[in-house]
Amino acid sequence: AQSVAQPEDQVNVAEGNPLTVKCTYSVSGNPYLFWYVQYPNRGLQFLLKYITGDNLVKGSYGFEAEFNKSQTSFHLKKPSALVSDSALYFCAVRDIYNTDKLIFGTGTRLQVFP
Amino acid sequence: DSGVTQTPKHLITATGQRVTLRCSPRSGDLSVYWYQQSLDQGLQFLIQYYNGEERAKGNILERFSAQQFPDLHSELNLSSLELGDSALYFCASSVEGLADSYEQYFGPGTRLTVT
Repeated sequence: AQSVAQPEDQVNVAEGNPLTVKCTYSVSGNPYLFWYVQYPNRGLQFLLKYITGDNLVKGSYGFEAEFNKSQTSFHLKKPSALVSDSALYFCAVRDIYNTDKLIFGTGTRLQVFP
Repeated sequence: DSGVTQTPKHLITATGQRVTLRCSPRSGDLSVYWYQQSLDQGLQFLIQYYNGEERAKGNILERFSAQQFPDLHSELNLSSLELGDSALYFCASSVEGLADSYEQYFGPGTRLTVT
C-alpha cells in the first residue's frame, strides 16, 4: 500500500532561518509526490510536486523540495522562513492503484517565530 | 483562489438529519474528489467522479453518497448524521490526460457541525 509519513507534528523555526519539513514515502513503483499547505480556516493550497526529472523541485512562495530515492524522502525546504509561513503542511502521494486519489500524511504544523 | 468553489461554508445541523454539500470544479476540470478532514482521522479520501461517472471509492460510509452532474458540479449527500460526522469536507478537482498535471486543486471546504 502507498503511504507517506510526516514524523514531526510541529516544527519551530525563527524568522530568517532555513526550514525543513520532513516527509518519507512508501510506494510501489515511481512515486508521484506533492506538498500542500493549509492556513487556518482555509482549503489546501498546492505548493509543489515531484513526478520525474530533477530531484530538487521548486514551488510557490519560495518553497522547494528535495526528492531522495535512496532515503525515500521528499523534504520540504525554504532558505529563509517568514512568520507568514506558519501553517499546517501536508505531504501526499498519488495512489496509482486507485486512480488519482491522494494519500496524505498526518500533517506538520510549522511555527515561525519573529 | 484555486478556482474550486464550495457551498455552504458552514453547516450546523442535528443528529439524524440529512445535508447536501455542493462543489463546482475549476473550469475545464473533469475530475472531482471529496475528502473529509477530522482531528482523529486526518485527511481521508471519500470518493471520486470523472465526467459524471463514479471512478473510485475510499472510506465513504453507506450513509454518504455523491454524484456529479452534466455541468460537472458535484454534490455530497450525508444522511442520518451522527456526531462523529462533524468535520471539514473538501472538494478538489484536477485535469486528466495531460502530462504532469497530476495535482489536485482544493476548495475552501464546508465545515459541518452535527449537534
